[in-house]
Amino acid sequence: AQRVTQPEKLLSVFKGAPVELKCNYSYSGSPELFWYVQYSRQRLQLLLRHISRESIKGFTADLNKGETSFHLKKPFAQEEDSAMYYCALFMDTGRRALTFGSGTRLQVQP
Amino acid sequence: KAGVTQTPRYLIKTRGQQVTLSCSPISGHRSVSWYQQTPGQGLQFLFEYFSETQRNKGNFPGRFSGRQFSNSRSEMNVSTLELGDSALYLCASSFGSGDYNEQFFGPGTRLTVL
Repeated sequence: AQRVTQPEKLLSVFKGAPVELKCNYSYSGSPELFWYVQYSRQRLQLLLRHISRESIKGFTADLNKGETSFHLKKPFAQEEDSAMYYCALFMDTGRRALTFGSGTRLQVQP
Repeated sequence: KAGVTQTPRYLIKTRGQQVTLSCSPISGHRSVSWYQQTPGQGLQFLFEYFSETQRNKGNFPGRFSGRQFSNSRSEMNVSTLELGDSALYLCASSFGSGDYNEQFFGPGTRLTVL
């Protein structure tokens, strides 16, 4: 069965430090992977998707099929990056729905 | 465009009762998906409706059901409520179904079962 694992519940860094939020997945098909973010008192929203290969708010994520990972990275964290981050998988067959990881709370301290 | 709206925002029910939650998608969006969010299980997919038809269903008991109207508005119903049904229920709308279309989430309905 498909599964998305985010091993860290909380990641705390100082402003200006690099950030890496880990995401591993298990899925036998061809996955589409996403990062969603939820800022305090705001809705869950799409941050980026692997197909786009773009950088949003300084964040990037590369799909590594060999390691089945899709880690989210930012070279210099900002206080406004503090939020809950969810990795999500969309399957290309069967139940075509998003499977979310358990989320990682990022705290960027001044 | 107005975002996804959900009503009510908060709800308190007792065990055994039933509840209906409503979701109005972004104008022009035809797909509505429902998710349950709890501290223990995280975000779990309930079901998706597209053009008034259920397209996908998650692993939830039959007490959880939904429907979609011709204007794409969707309702979710939970019958015979249990304490474990206490959760934040999110709906998300997207333009299409099948291939991935970006989902836009509503603010959620927080259901408390006493």
